[in-house]
Amino acid sequence: DAKTTQPTSMDCAEGRAANLPCNHSTISGNEYVYWYRQIHSQGPQYIIHGLKNNETNEMASLIITEDRKSSTLILPHATLRDTAVYYCIVRGGNDYKLSFGAGTTVTVRA
Amino acid sequence: EPEVTQTPSHQVTQMGQEVILRCVPISNHLYFYWYRQILGQKVEFLVSFYNNEISEKSEIFDDQFSVERPDGSNFTLKIRSTKLEDSAMYFCASSDDRLRDEQFFGPGTRLTVL
Repeated sequence: DAKTTQPTSMDCAEGRAANLPCNHSTISGNEYVYWYRQIHSQGPQYIIHGLKNNETNEMASLIITEDRKSSTLILPHATLRDTAVYYCIVRGGNDYKLSFGAGTTVTVRA
Repeated sequence: EPEVTQTPSHQVTQMGQEVILRCVPISNHLYFYWYRQILGQKVEFLVSFYNNEISEKSEIFDDQFSVERPDGSNFTLKIRSTKLEDSAMYFCASSDDRLRDEQFFGPGTRLTVL
């Protein structure tokens, strides 16, 4: 079962930063926060993950609050190709699986 | 860049027939997974496989399903007697480490059961 809450949808202007929130208030100490996205019906694509520190890679930045109950994925300069469903997933402990929820449908508009 | 591949891209079968979906995970990965996504619904975990045995499975993964790693490169999902409700996109994934590394997903096989 998904342990996260995300907005159903959001729009973003091309070239602007997209900030995607995620609530995971029941996260435990050994659980990681993962972000994936799915473009149309393609296989999910890994974006970034973190435990408690903020993380940045070539795709995005992940900001995790100090109490770890929420996080924000930041796409610094959204392009039309970033239009996708974005999934925030909490995983850890003895989990092998990724539990996908409904995610946030992000539409980047020109 | 290494990638997970899946064949076929689309499989059409009659209800009651057996199907085998094939995946070639990334070569040095140790953990393998199958997920499915019914049209318009969320991605659902089916099974994970490590060290030649199932490490975790969902309620969906009943006796009609089986997985195998027949050689050093392929990872297969078999559905023994397909039902209409098995129609879905099936995604294979692999990872190097269970928790710390990301799972890399293949492009999927669309299974249509008639």
